[in-house]
Amino acid sequence: SYVLTQPPSVSVAPGKTARITCGGNNIGSKRVHWYQQKPGQAPVLVIYYDTDRPSGIPERFSGSNSGNTATLTISRVEAGDEADYYCQVWDNTSDHVFGTGTKVTVL
Amino acid sequence: EVQLVESGGGLVQPGGSLRLSCAVSGFTFSSHWMTWVRQAPGKGLEWVANIKQAGSEKYYVDSVKGRFTISRDNTKNSLYLQMNSLRPEDTAVYYCARDALVAGTGYFDYWGQGALVTVSS
Repeated sequence: SYVLTQPPSVSVAPGKTARITCGGNNIGSKRVHWYQQKPGQAPVLVIYYDTDRPSGIPERFSGSNSGNTATLTISRVEAGDEADYYCQVWDNTSDHVFGTGTKVTVL
Repeated sequence: EVQLVESGGGLVQPGGSLRLSCAVSGFTFSSHWMTWVRQAPGKGLEWVANIKQAGSEKYYVDSVKGRFTISRDNTKNSLYLQMNSLRPEDTAVYYCARDALVAGTGYFDYWGQGALVTVSS
């Protein structure tokens, strides 16, 4: 089965940049999507197709994907960005796969 | 406005059954693959099952195969998850979600608010 590995936590000061990685075997050949989930709420799509932002998502959110690592970057971090973040891909042997999740803490 | 509203969650004993429903509005339901995703307390997201537009193809995560059945009624704009032989490890919030891609291999652009299923004696 296909596995996506994320760091359990990332801490960042307000106004700085947070980078959340998502590791998977040759993930660069797949399309990676990212979700934000705040406590008690459903996930919200923040990045799809590696780099695209849905309408309503701030430009501060961006993504990249190459080799064995995809990255979600949050620039000029705000207190409201504190949440859990999950990467997701579709794999032809495992169907839809979510990453292990990363808790972003704004210091 | 797109809305997905789950119902049917609750407390059930191990070995019992429960049926979740997801009522959809605001888009052409019959044009999209639909998915169930669950999240155990304090844990991450786990894809559970999905179903093709007309219901002709269904796929499941290994841990629920033979116990859960996904279905849909396009005349009622509704998605279902029949859960049998429930185990304590099935305890989770269950979300229904829309796959944005016609092929069902994409991302989930709309989610319901979730339904809590607790399996305990």
